[in-house]
Amino acid sequence: AQKVTQAQTEISVVEKEDVTLDCVYETRDTTYYLFWYKQPPSGELVFLIRRNSFDEQNEISGRYSWNFQKSTSSFNFTITASQVVDSAVYFCALLCWGRDDKIIFGKGTRLHILP
Amino acid sequence: GAVVSQHPSWVICKSGTSVKIECRSLDFQATTMFWYRQFPKQSLMLMATSNEGSKATYEQGVEKDKFLINHASLTLSTLTVTSAHPEDSSFYICSARAPEERSYEQYFGPGTRLTVT
Repeated sequence: AQKVTQAQTEISVVEKEDVTLDCVYETRDTTYYLFWYKQPPSGELVFLIRRNSFDEQNEISGRYSWNFQKSTSSFNFTITASQVVDSAVYFCALLCWGRDDKIIFGKGTRLHILP
Repeated sequence: GAVVSQHPSWVICKSGTSVKIECRSLDFQATTMFWYRQFPKQSLMLMATSNEGSKATYEQGVEKDKFLINHASLTLSTLTVTSAHPEDSSFYICSARAPEERSYEQYFGPGTRLTVT
């Protein structure tokens, strides 16, 4: 079965602190994609990153970075020097290739950045 | 990037009426679209997969007679909530899968907030 676990339901940090959002996934498939999405209060999903299972390189995009570790089935997301505008719900998601392209979402982590 | 639109962005209807939500891919043809439902403070749950020209595939526990899906063209899928009840109030989000030349990326619409009174 495919599953995504985001153990942190809610996190609050003070602005400018770094914060890491955890994501653990389960799948027996060898070809899959992992995603992170941001959902601000408006509700619209904002795509942040897609990673395929064959690319374990970490990625950095501005203040955002992602750590993909197949050995621990984790795909963690770090925001450096957080800002109030980063406050949102963040979803980690999994798509297993060849399984009807269904994207399975974790339960999300609600991030509060306090001024 | 590709754009997927939804209409309406929000709707309020009375209990017992039907509501239609449209999902359009604006700059690509999508043979497959997906419908999700999100209750407050919860995650997105896949309701059904909509394939152009064929019947939708519903996830377990989703009533196909209540949530009618029509994917009549390569750029439009509709979700009709029939005989809506207050418990159907939710945020409905669609996604459209781009073709091979766009690596089958899925693009999400902005969502439709349904409130049934």
